[in-house]
Amino acid sequence: QMQLQESGPGLVKPSETLSLSLTCEVNGYSISSGYYWGWIRQTPGKGLEWIGSLFHSESPSYNPSLKSRVTMSVDTSKNQFSLIMTSVTAADTALYFCAREIRGYSSGWYNYFDHWGQGILVAVPS
Amino acid sequence: SLLTQPPSVSMAPGQKVTISCSGSSSNIGNNYLSWYQQFPGTAPKLLIYEDNKRPSGIPDRFSGSKSGTSATLGITGLQTGDEADYFCGTWDTSLSVWVFGGGTKLTVL
Repeated sequence: QMQLQESGPGLVKPSETLSLSLTCEVNGYSISSGYYWGWIRQTPGKGLEWIGSLFHSESPSYNPSLKSRVTMSVDTSKNQFSLIMTSVTAADTALYFCAREIRGYSSGWYNYFDHWGQGILVAVPS
Repeated sequence: SLLTQPPSVSMAPGQKVTISCSGSSSNIGNNYLSWYQQFPGTAPKLLIYEDNKRPSGIPDRFSGSKSGTSATLGITGLQTGDEADYFCGTWDTSLSVWVFGGGTKLTVL
C-alpha cells in the first residue's frame, strides 16, 4: 500500500523574507517508476489550490499564479519530492498536501490524484 | 473557483442526492473530471475519476456523470457516514492549471 507523508521545517527565514520548505516521502512505490507527483494546498477561503506537479525526468509544471515563487524537485535516491515557496505571506497559510497524480490524454486530458498525504499545516505569521 | 458547486446539500438517510459541478469548455467540456470526498481533518479521497469510473473499494452507491460543461456526483442509499465535503476537479486547458470546485458540504439528516 503506497503512502505519502509530508514533512519539513515549515518556515525558514533567509534574510528579510520568509520561505516555505516541504518534503513528501513516498513509501510503497518508486518515484522513478513513473506517474506525476503534486502539491495541493487548502484554505478555508480559497478551497483546494493546485501548486504544481512534476515527473521525475521532466521539468515541473506550476500554477501560473504561484510560478514565480515556487520550485519543485525530486530526489529519486531518497524517493521523495520537495516544494520550496519563497516570499511567503499570511495568505500562504494553508494545509499543504502532496499527492500522486495520474495524467494522460485520451480524447481529452485525464488527471486525477489517487493517493494523498495526510497534510501538513503551515501557518505564516502576519 | 472556475468550477462551480453548491455550497451545501442535505438529504435524509436512505435517499439519493446529487451534487453538481459546472465549468466551461476549457475544463469540464473537454477534459475528464474527478470527484473527491473529504472528512474534517483528513486528506481528500478519490471517489470518481475519468468522469464516471470508481477506484477499487469505492461502493457503487457513488456514481459520476457528465454532460457538456457540467458534471454530477450521485450518491444513493445515503448513510450518516457519507457526511463530508465533496470536491470536483479537472485540468483547464486554456489556463494550463488544475482547477477544483469550491466544495459541497453534504449533510445527511
